[in-house]
Amino acid sequence: NAGVTQTPKFRVLKTGQSMTLLCAQDMNHEYMYWYRQDPGMGLRLIHYSVGEGTTAKGEVPDGYNVSRLKKQNFLLGLESAAPSQTSVYFCASGGWALMPGANVLTFGAGSRLTVL
Amino acid sequence: GQQVMQIPQYQHVQEGEDFTTYCNSSTTLSNIQWYKQRPGGHPVFLIQLVKSGEVKKQKRLTFQFGEAKKNSSLHITATQTTDVGTYFCAGSNTGNQFYFGTGTSLTVIP
Repeated sequence: NAGVTQTPKFRVLKTGQSMTLLCAQDMNHEYMYWYRQDPGMGLRLIHYSVGEGTTAKGEVPDGYNVSRLKKQNFLLGLESAAPSQTSVYFCASGGWALMPGANVLTFGAGSRLTVL
Repeated sequence: GQQVMQIPQYQHVQEGEDFTTYCNSSTTLSNIQWYKQRPGGHPVFLIQLVKSGEVKKQKRLTFQFGEAKKNSSLHITATQTTDVGTYFCAGSNTGNQFYFGTGTSLTVIP
């Protein structure tokens, strides 16, 4: 089935450890996004990409890095995990809505990260 | 930066009652989208509004975009238990970046 796949689904880290979350989409979408979801905070944009080889900062980029080496993949890295990064992370990819110029987001199932 | 506020944060209704959530942006938006997230799930796209004053309906759901394109609402008529979840608005003024509201969690009491 077409869609957005995130790996891993769950991960527990110790403070200071590093890890990478992988997002893969098979819809040939140009735009990809990483959000984090915390209780009462909604979805906050971490980083996004408007095409292969490009990335840009969102609302809360500090402590994260991203790469878009291939169009279908968008990686989110934590170099030195902190307890404040405990969250559910959602990847999304953007396809064209009926009105050109606006994206409709398709989300992955989420990755739950706990930093101890 | 752009801010999108959503109220209320929580809403409990008896099955059959109506429900409304409101979304307000600090800046003028080019379009607004609505998403639904079931408990334990991921956000799923519901609808997009792009025109000032636009009103769209999906069965029991009515979506409105304000005349100034800074606010929006989602109204559900005669709620059902299948409506349970968190409803998010997401505003954009570029078409590329989407800023999500804090969401309204809807509980429907049978």
